[in-house]
Amino acid sequence: EAQVTQNPRYLITVTGKKLTVTCSQNMNHEYMSWYRQDPGLGLRQIYYSMNVEVTDKGDVPEGYKVSRKEKRNFPLILESPSPNQTSLYFCASSRAALAGKLFFGSGTQLSVL
Amino acid sequence: AQTVTQSQPEMSVQEAETVTLSCTYDTSESNYYLFWYKQPPSRQMILVIRQEAYKQQNATENRFSVNFQKAAKSFSLKISDSQLGDTAMYFCAFMNYQLIWGAGTKLIIKP
Repeated sequence: EAQVTQNPRYLITVTGKKLTVTCSQNMNHEYMSWYRQDPGLGLRQIYYSMNVEVTDKGDVPEGYKVSRKEKRNFPLILESPSPNQTSLYFCASSRAALAGKLFFGSGTQLSVL
Repeated sequence: AQTVTQSQPEMSVQEAETVTLSCTYDTSESNYYLFWYKQPPSRQMILVIRQEAYKQQNATENRFSVNFQKAAKSFSLKISDSQLGDTAMYFCAFMNYQLIWGAGTKLIIKP
């Protein structure tokens, strides 16, 4: 089944404790991206990747890191989480940047205390 | 900067009625996609409909259709014969290399 797998679905952590949210797709997609969703603001793009080893900042990259060492995986890393990073996070992928259809993961609800 | 504006934070209609959600966007690009996504309480993002900017014909998907006005930079979603399962947040989004989202419209279908 074609899908984007995102883990974990829920995560509670404390300020400053490094964490990684994983994202994996099984569709051989070139384009992958991360978003955060906050009430009243919709989704905002954090980082995106056009292909392996190619990543670019989105609208809100501060406090986040990503890597794209393999085509299927695109983890989101928070080196030192802070409470303002409490949010709902989505990973998504598509065949190419202008392919027109994004496939989304199920979301990760992160709470930083 | 590219922006997407959804001017209706919340709407409610009776079941079986028709409802239109508005979306406007701002871009200097000529090649892009526009989307409507639905997010039910399960949080899953579900693609409702998409429109390629170079296509003049409005996209339709069963009970869902759009009114795409490229010159006016408007992309409204019409839901016909609304159903209780249509209750959700609806997001309009613009994409070329980045995906820019509106703030969303909460749609409530009343029985």
